[in-house]
Amino acid sequence: GAVVSQHPSRVICKSGTSVKIECRSLDFQATTMFWYRQFPKKSLMLMATSNEGSKATYEQGVEKDKFLINHASLTLSTLTVTSAHPEDSSFYICSALRDAGSETQYFGPGTRLLVL
Amino acid sequence: GENVEQHPSTLSVQEGDSAVIKCTYSDSASNYFPWYKQELGKRPQLIIDIRSNVGEKKDQRIAVTLNKTAKHFSLHITETQPEDSAVYFCAVNFGNEKLTFGTGTRLTIIP
Repeated sequence: GAVVSQHPSRVICKSGTSVKIECRSLDFQATTMFWYRQFPKKSLMLMATSNEGSKATYEQGVEKDKFLINHASLTLSTLTVTSAHPEDSSFYICSALRDAGSETQYFGPGTRLLVL
Repeated sequence: GENVEQHPSTLSVQEGDSAVIKCTYSDSASNYFPWYKQELGKRPQLIIDIRSNVGEKKDQRIAVTLNKTAKHFSLHITETQPEDSAVYFCAVNFGNEKLTFGTGTRLTIIP
């Protein structure tokens, strides 16, 4: 199998606080994980590519100091939304590549973030 | 640039009829074309994919066709059922591990 989990599934926080979202590959090792953001009735927009042991690669327009990504092990990547604002409210989804050189991405269940 | 266009944005079909969703892409070097199904509030689920060396692939009621010359690929769902109702996204790998997603098609199956 290729199971990816995310925690938490939903979170509500106050404006100005930071929120950490975890993405785990449960039955495989993932050297590469991806973080997406999805607004209501919209498509998935890639935020960054997370590689184990190295710095994440951010897409154009995504602030790396606001969306901190850490991929410290082969089964865990974290996304921290710092100083969250209401416009950061969204559905955040991670995915993982099961094998090096593989093209198939397996998605986590997503985290719904609401910033008040 | 890496661009993926998807049509239609919404599609309603009578149960039992076929549904077709089409995507076009910008870069002829693209080599991997998956289709994902997403139910409301859920994760995208891979339903079928095709690679650039193949023209057509079928899995029961679902098929994907690829025209590399014209740079488009299509999802075909036959004998549609109410549980096929969802949002469908095409995606393209432009050769760098990343996927660029289409804008999505909301498919509604009318019982």
